[in-house]
Amino acid sequence: GEDVEQSLFLSVREGDSSVINCTYTDSSSTYLYWYKQEPGAGLQLLTYIFSNMDMKQDQRLTVLLNKKDKHLSLRIADTQTGDSAIYFCADDAGGYNKLIFGAGTRLAVHP
Amino acid sequence: DTGVSQNPRHKITKRGQNVTFRCDPISEHNRLYWYRQTLGQGPEFLTYFQNEAQLEKSRLLSDRFSAERPKGSFSTLEIQRTEQGDSAMYLCASSLADEQYFGPGTRLTVT
Repeated sequence: GEDVEQSLFLSVREGDSSVINCTYTDSSSTYLYWYKQEPGAGLQLLTYIFSNMDMKQDQRLTVLLNKKDKHLSLRIADTQTGDSAIYFCADDAGGYNKLIFGAGTRLAVHP
Repeated sequence: DTGVSQNPRHKITKRGQNVTFRCDPISEHNRLYWYRQTLGQGPEFLTYFQNEAQLEKSRLLSDRFSAERPKGSFSTLEIQRTEQGDSAMYLCASSLADEQYFGPGTRLTVT
C-alpha cells in the first residue's frame, strides 16, 4: 500500500535554514503537501506541489520534488522560534478521497 | 472565523459509552473527511464524503463507528461502545478542490 516516511526530529539554530525530507511510495500521486501542527492544534496547510513540478517557492518556504526518487523536501529559510512544530508530509494517492501522511518531523529551533 | 470547526474540543468518556462528534466544514466545500491521529503519528484516513454521499471508508472504521453528512453540510462521527483504544484526536477536514483544510480536532479520552 501507500507509505510516506519522514525523519522524526530536526534541530536548527534560529536564523539558519531547515530542510525536512520525506519519501513516498505511491506512483500515482497528483499533489504532495506539507502541513504544520503546533501542540494541541489541528493541521495548518503550508504549501503543496503538483507532481509534474520540480520546485515551488512561497516566501520563506521552498518545496523540492524528485519524482524519480519519490523524494520531497521542505526548506524553511531564516528559521524562527515560531517555526517550532511538527511538520507532516502527505500525498493524495492520486485522487480526492484521502491523504496519506507521514509520522511527522518535529522541528526544534534554538537560539 | 470561516474555517473548519469541530465540537466538542475535548471529550472524556467511560469505556462502553457512546460519543458523537460534530464537524462544520468551510461553507461551499463539498468534500468532507474524517481522520484519526494518535500520539506520535500522522493522521490516518477514516472516511470521506462528497456532498451527502459517503464514498470511501477505511478498514480502520469498524462497525462501532458511523459517520453521516445528512444535508451535505455538517457531519457527525459516532463511536458506539467506546474502547480505550479509541482514545485519539479526531480531525475533520474539508475541501473544494486540491487543498484540504483541517479543523482543530476533538480529543477523545476513554477511561
